[in-house]
Amino acid sequence: EVQLVESGGGQVQPGRSLRLSCAASGLTFDDYAMHWVRQGPGKGLEWVSGISWNSGSIGYADSVKGRFTVSRDNAKNSLYLQMTSLRAEDTALYFCAKAKRSSSSSPLDYWGQGTLVTVSS
Amino acid sequence: AIQMTQSPSSLSASVGDRVTITCRASQDIRHDLGWYQQKPGKAPKLLIYVASRLQSGVPSRFSGSGSGTDFTLTISSLQPEDFATYYCLQDYNYPQTFGQGTKVEIK
Repeated sequence: EVQLVESGGGQVQPGRSLRLSCAASGLTFDDYAMHWVRQGPGKGLEWVSGISWNSGSIGYADSVKGRFTVSRDNAKNSLYLQMTSLRAEDTALYFCAKAKRSSSSSPLDYWGQGTLVTVSS
Repeated sequence: AIQMTQSPSSLSASVGDRVTITCRASQDIRHDLGWYQQKPGKAPKLLIYVASRLQSGVPSRFSGSGSGTDFTLTISSLQPEDFATYYCLQDYNYPQTFGQGTKVEIK
C-alpha cells in the first residue's frame, strides 16, 4: 500500500524559512515524479511544485518561484520542500502527492494527509 | 501559466440526479486533464485522468470527456457519498494548474 507522510509544518514568522519532508513507502519511489500541492484555509487547491523521478525536470507555481525549492532523495524515499521568505499567504495545508508517471507533469494518484504551515508574527 | 476556468462554483442536487461540471483551459492541453474529489478534512482523490480514463477503484457512474480546451466531468446518478468538492487539474505542462473547484451540495 502506498503511503505518503508529510512532516515539518508549524508556525513560523514572516520572512523565515521552513523545510517540509514527505516520506514515501509501499512504492518504488524513483519510478515516479512527485509533487507538492497546498490548500489555504477555506480555499481551493493550489499546485505548488513538481519534480521528475531523477530531478531532471522541476516546476514551480509563479507564486512560489524563487522562494521555494523542491528536491528528492531517492535513496531515502523522501521528497522535500525548502520554503524561504515565507509570507502570510503561504499559510496552508501542504500535501505531498505521487504522480502516475516518472516524467514531469502528470496526474496525481496518491496523496498524503498534509502538514500545516502557519505564517504569522 | 495555463488558466483553468471551472463551472459552476457550486450546485445543489438530489440523490439520483445527473450532474455535470465543466472546465475550460486557456490554451490547448490535448487530453492532459484530471478530475479530483475532495471531502472536508481529507486529501483529494483522483477520479479521472487523461480526460476520460477512470482511475482504479472509482465507481463507473463517474465519467469524463473532452479534449483541447473544453472538458466535462459527469456523475450519472448522484449518490450520498458524492457530495464533495470537485477540481480539475491540467497536467499538460508546468506549472500545473487547478480549476477553482465545484462544491456539490445536497438539495
